[in-house]
Amino acid sequence: AQSVTQPDIHITVSEGASLELRCNYSYGATPYLFWYVQSPGQGLQLLLKYFSGDTLVQGIKGFEAEFKRSQSSFNLRKPSVHWSDAAEYFCAVVPTGTASKLTFGTGTRLQVTL
Amino acid sequence: DVKVTQSSRYLVKRTGEKVFLECVQDMDHENMFWYRQDPGLGLRLIYFSYDVKMKEKGDIPEGYSVSREKKERFSLILESASTNQTSMYLCASSSTGFNEKLFFGSGTQLSVL
Repeated sequence: AQSVTQPDIHITVSEGASLELRCNYSYGATPYLFWYVQSPGQGLQLLLKYFSGDTLVQGIKGFEAEFKRSQSSFNLRKPSVHWSDAAEYFCAVVPTGTASKLTFGTGTRLQVTL
Repeated sequence: DVKVTQSSRYLVKRTGEKVFLECVQDMDHENMFWYRQDPGLGLRLIYFSYDVKMKEKGDIPEGYSVSREKKERFSLILESASTNQTSMYLCASSSTGFNEKLFFGSGTQLSVL
């Protein structure tokens, strides 16, 4: 069965600094890959997704993610973090050719200091 | 915008009670899902549904059941609530296909005492 690992439980960055959140997946083939964000007291919102093609994917709120097949990774990045980016971030995968059933990672909580 | 509405933001119940969590979506989505979210465990799928009166077990269905009598409504039922079911419950919906964009409700924080 596929699995998703987010090795960082909690990350703190200063406002204006760059950010990279790690995500590794375990699956025989390349799955569909997603990043979701959960702001405090809210449900999850899709940031970006990768299905195929260009391995650098642009999302909302200035986020991007790069798919690296050789490393089975799909890390999320932002060049300059804003205080409003403080939230919990979830990586998720679904095997290609299947119907909707995402597997989520355990999440990374981002704290932004001013 | 798609709206997924969960009937209660906070709920407190006693052990052994029957609990209903309601979820309604307004975009005619075929797929609906119930997840529970626990610190350090992320989101785990309880049940999902691809159509009216259709349901499939997710990864942790034990102690739960679901009902989907109308396309827009998906209910999660705890037949006899237990303290280990204290959790945040998230409902989501999506359209058919490989788009896989889930739209989430704001969640119901359930406490079982």
